[in-house]
Amino acid sequence: GDSVTQMEGPVTLSEEAFLTINCTYTATGYPSLFWYVQYPGEGLQLLLKATKADDKGSNKGFEATYRKETTSFHLEKGSVQVSDSAVYFCALSGGSQGNLIFGKGTKLSVKP
Amino acid sequence: NAGVTQTPKFQVLKTGQSMTLQCAQDMNHEYMSWYRQDPGMGLRLIHYSVGAGITDQGEVPNGYNVSRSTTEDFPLRLLSAAPSQTSVYFCASSYSGAPARTEAFFGQGTRLTVV
Repeated sequence: GDSVTQMEGPVTLSEEAFLTINCTYTATGYPSLFWYVQYPGEGLQLLLKATKADDKGSNKGFEATYRKETTSFHLEKGSVQVSDSAVYFCALSGGSQGNLIFGKGTKLSVKP
Repeated sequence: NAGVTQTPKFQVLKTGQSMTLQCAQDMNHEYMSWYRQDPGMGLRLIHYSVGAGITDQGEVPNGYNVSRSTTEDFPLRLLSAAPSQTSVYFCASSYSGAPARTEAFFGQGTRLTVV
């Protein structure tokens, strides 16, 4: 079945460091791909998405490119801030109803 | 805007007790779903609904019931709570069908402990 694999954390970075969180997927067809973010004590929020191959999603300085040839959707940010500390989930839309299928999440901590 | 509202935020149950987790959205979304979040497991889909009167099972439906009598509400019922149901539960909704096409909005979660 469809699945998402993302790098395990936790990831600890210093402020202004470069961030990459790897995400690969297995799916039949051509799913949409998403990154959701969960700040402490809150629900998930959509960070960015891409709906077809070679699309680049971007938001709040984060970017991810839908790579069909490598089945990947890696999340990047050039300069992280303390306020980016959160858990990041990669997800795809799968099945006949397009339900979201999540990776296990990657916890990011950014130190001043 | 209220968005997706879940109640209660915290709950402790004894094994065998029943309870209902409430979820309401005020965005007129057709699609609603319930997930559970466990450490190291990510979010797993329990049940979902594509509209009033229509529900279906997700990845981990056992031990849970749902109904969708109105567009706004999608309660999740635990008929006989077990320690394995200790988790954080999230309700989500999206407009016009599945989250593939539109953004999913999540509630703040219900932290359930079964002792």
